Amino acid sequence: GAGVSQSPSNKVTEKGKDVELRCDPISGHTALYWYRQSLGQGLEFLIYFQGNSAPDKSGLPSDRFSAERTGGSVSTLTIQRTQQEDSAVYLCASSLAFRGNNYGYTFGSGTRLTVV
Amino acid sequence: QKEVEQNSGPLSVPEGAIASLNCTYSDRGSQSFFWYRQYSGKSPELIMFIYSNGDKEDGRFTAQLNKASQYVSLLIRDSQPSDSATYLCAVRSGNTPLVFGKGTRLSVIA
Repeated sequence: GAGVSQSPSNKVTEKGKDVELRCDPISGHTALYWYRQSLGQGLEFLIYFQGNSAPDKSGLPSDRFSAERTGGSVSTLTIQRTQQEDSAVYLCASSLAFRGNNYGYTFGSGTRLTVV
Repeated sequence: QKEVEQNSGPLSVPEGAIASLNCTYSDRGSQSFFWYRQYSGKSPELIMFIYSNGDKEDGRFTAQLNKASQYVSLLIRDSQPSDSATYLCAVRSGNTPLVFGKGTRLSVIA
C-alpha cells in the first residue's frame, strides 16, 4: 500500500481480555517494527522483524506480549490478559533494509489501546 | 543501555526566529541519526537524517552532527506556528532498531 496501515485505530478493552493489533506495512519494505508510546513518554521499542530472520523480541515487556509476521508482510501484535499499564498508543513502522541503512521508518497512524 | 537524551521543553520561540533543538546519545558506535516531528495526536514523521559529521540542510531545516561530542541538533529557520510540535531525536547503531529520545516540545508564538 501507499502507507503503513494499522487497525483498529482505537480499542477499548476490559482488563484481562486479549487484544490483537494489526499492521500492514508499505509494499516492498522488508523491515517491520512495533513501538508503543505512553502519554508524555517517548517511543518504547517492542519487537522487530527483518525479512525471514528470527524477530528481535528484546523489547517485549512480558510474556503476555507476542507478535508474528505472516508471509513477510502483515504483522499482528497480541497482548494477552491485558492490564491497565498496557494502555498506550501502539505504533507500527516499516522501512527498507540495507546494510548500513540510513533510511528512517515510516510510521502508521497507530492503535490507541485503553484498558479499563 | 543505549540512551538518547533531549530537553523536554517546552521551547518557545517567536515566529520568524531560529529554533534550536538538541540531542545527546550514549552509544559512541551510533552511526545514523534521525529527526522526527510529531504533532499532537499524530504519529511521528521523518524530517531529516544525518550520518556524517557537520551540517546537512534541507529547506528551513539544518541537522548538525558532532560524533566526538555525541551530539546532534536540529535548527529550524524562520520558525512558523505550523512548526509547533514535538521533535523526536532517534539514533541507530548498525541494523538495530532506532532508539528514540522522549522529544522536545516546540511552541512557535505568532
